[in-house]
Amino acid sequence: GAGVSQSPSNKVTEKGKDVELRCDPISGHTALYWYRQSLGQGLEFLIYFQGNSAPDKSGLPSDRFSAERTGGSVSTLTIQRTQQEDSAVYLCASSIDRGPETQYFGPGTRLLVL
Amino acid sequence: RKEVEQDPGPFNVPEGATVAFNCTYSNSASQSFFWYRQDCRKEPKLLMSVYSSGNEDGRFTAQLNRASQYISLLIRDSKLSDSATYLCVVWDSNYQLIWGAGTKLIIKP
Repeated sequence: GAGVSQSPSNKVTEKGKDVELRCDPISGHTALYWYRQSLGQGLEFLIYFQGNSAPDKSGLPSDRFSAERTGGSVSTLTIQRTQQEDSAVYLCASSIDRGPETQYFGPGTRLLVL
Repeated sequence: RKEVEQDPGPFNVPEGATVAFNCTYSNSASQSFFWYRQDCRKEPKLLMSVYSSGNEDGRFTAQLNRASQYISLLIRDSKLSDSATYLCVVWDSNYQLIWGAGTKLIIKP
C-alpha cells in the first residue's frame, strides 16, 4: 500500500546546472501531475500525464522544463540550466483517472538553486 | 483576477472557537470543489469534497454557493491540531484542478 514517492527529498544545485526529479505514483493510478509550490504560495500546475495520451504541458513555465513518464508509471521532471527562481517545492500527485478524483501527493522535492 | 481566490490570512483563532473562510472562483461552469489541508512543509491532503449543496464531516462543514460563486469552510470547536493552511481547489470546465493560494489558520491555546 505504498503512496506516492518522490526523490530526492532535497536538492541543492548551482545556477546553470540541470536537475532531475523523480516521481513514483501509486500503482494503478493512470493520472500523474507535477506541481510547483513557491514559499507561501499555492500550487502551480506544471504538467499532466494520463495513460498513453499526449501530456498536457500547458503549465510548464519555460522550455527549460520537461517531463517524461515511462511505461505509464514513473515520471521524471527535468529542469535545464536552473535559475534561482526555480527554487521551490516540486510536488507530484497521482489519481485514478482525470476526473475530479482526489489526488494523492508525494512528499515533494525541495529544490534550492544557489 | 485569479481563477480561485482565498484570503491568505493568517486567521488567529482561540482554541474552541468557530472559524470560517471563503473561496471565490471565476469560472461559473466549474463543477466540483474541494478543500485540502496542508501542514507546514508537508504535502496537501484532501480534507473534504464539496458537491451540490455542500456537506458536513464532524466539526467541518463545507458549503457551496453557485449563484455567488464561492465555497466556504466552517470549523467548529477548533483544536490546536487544526492549525494549517487550507487550500481551495476547483475542478474547472477545462478538466483542470485550479488551486487557490491557501488560507493560513493558527489556533491559539
